[in-house]
Amino acid sequence: DQQVKQNSPSLSVQEGRISILNCDYTNSMFDYFLWYKKYPAEGPTFLISISSIKDKNEDGRFTVFLNKSAKHLSLHIVPSQPGDSAVYFCAAKFSYDKVIFGPGTSLSVIP
Amino acid sequence: DAGVIQSPRHEVTEMGQEVTLRCKPISGHDYLFWYRQTMMRGLELLIYFNNNVPIDDSGMPEDRFSAKMPNASFSTLKIQPSEPRDSAVYFCASSPGPLANEKLFFGSGTQLSVL
Repeated sequence: DQQVKQNSPSLSVQEGRISILNCDYTNSMFDYFLWYKKYPAEGPTFLISISSIKDKNEDGRFTVFLNKSAKHLSLHIVPSQPGDSAVYFCAAKFSYDKVIFGPGTSLSVIP
Repeated sequence: DAGVIQSPRHEVTEMGQEVTLRCKPISGHDYLFWYRQTMMRGLELLIYFNNNVPIDDSGMPEDRFSAKMPNASFSTLKIQPSEPRDSAVYFCASSPGPLANEKLFFGSGTQLSVL
């Protein structure tokens, strides 16, 4: 049973528009959430994170929103660029040091 | 820093053979993780170590899988005997500590194909 879910396997967005990637989790004990980005033939790299005590964290074009009551978080990319085309993994920290990943969403930004 | 180093990058083997994947974490990182990526399940945590000691191996799919960390700079993931359903990309990652904001640093992965 997956504790971190990304229900959209893929997403296509026009360059310059907003990309919204969604993530749902089932375990209310998660206290920290992260997004990783993965290009083909490379390992995932950390993108942005948010603590459960916050509802928003921003880093340049990337913003993560957390809705604890809905057990939902989202990653917004504005404006989207072709270089953002990658697989995005949502992840959550469980207990003190164990990270659980979702299945990933493949984002394609069309020039 | 060279980052997390995994070898080999690609491994093709026949069913029943033993496969050994290798990982060198970033120096000074106390945590080492083995993940497997498949189309169906995404990134799954197999096992992780803290200071060379296995902490949680609940993600190891079967007894055919084993992992060791004999010292702070080296870890192996072994599959014996291998099966076609083990075909996946296996990632090693390291982390400097257990704090909430400690992110994972991944290697480039080993693409395993079991024929």
